[in-house]
Amino acid sequence: QQPVQSPQAVILREGEDAVINCSSSKALYSVHWYRQKHGEAPVFLMILLKGGEQKGHEKISASFNEKKQQSSLYLTASQLSYSGTYFCGTELSAGNNRKLIWGLGTSLAVNP
Amino acid sequence: ETGVTQTPRHLVMGMTNKKSLKCEQHLGHNAMYWYKQSAKKPLELMFVYNFKEQTENNSVPSRFSPECPNSSHLFLHLHTLQPEDSALYLCASSQPLVGGKVTYNSPLHFGNGTRLTVT
Repeated sequence: QQPVQSPQAVILREGEDAVINCSSSKALYSVHWYRQKHGEAPVFLMILLKGGEQKGHEKISASFNEKKQQSSLYLTASQLSYSGTYFCGTELSAGNNRKLIWGLGTSLAVNP
Repeated sequence: ETGVTQTPRHLVMGMTNKKSLKCEQHLGHNAMYWYKQSAKKPLELMFVYNFKEQTENNSVPSRFSPECPNSSHLFLHLHTLQPEDSALYLCASSQPLVGGKVTYNSPLHFGNGTRLTVT
């Protein structure tokens, strides 16, 4: 049930783009994205609900493909401050037990 | 800067010790959570409290005992822990959105965590 995040790690130069994927084998109701910098608290980025919506937050946006049960996080023109580990949390459509199930994270390093 | 404060930041304890982790949130939220974060494992939900009532116990061993005296404070009491309990323990809060019930569609606000080492 755990979502699979890919890639596991990515290294960028400042200004480059990246895509992080979060895939589930189960039908999803929502996908949550968080970023955690080393030694700090995870910070909420955005929630996407089923319906195939897309959201944006400055140069970070995400989409939710309901047919593929996949969400993609897009980081454009990356900044040094984007470095950290990105986690997706998925909420399954089935059942009443609507807990978030988390991926293992994608480590992103942005270098000057 | 976080509206959720956890103390202590670091804790080293022996297997026979008793200690407590504290979490305080200043966001006016009514739901509070304990999560365990271990290397190479996904975030693990331990307990959920909604309006001071425990609504979720994710099969956590009894050596972990939560306490929520009010909606702003959450404790995790620890006793006779095992070395495999060493991890980062994160507290989070959220604001229920639907009829006062805890929903998982509302953003979680995390504290910086307590790094626990059991020797």
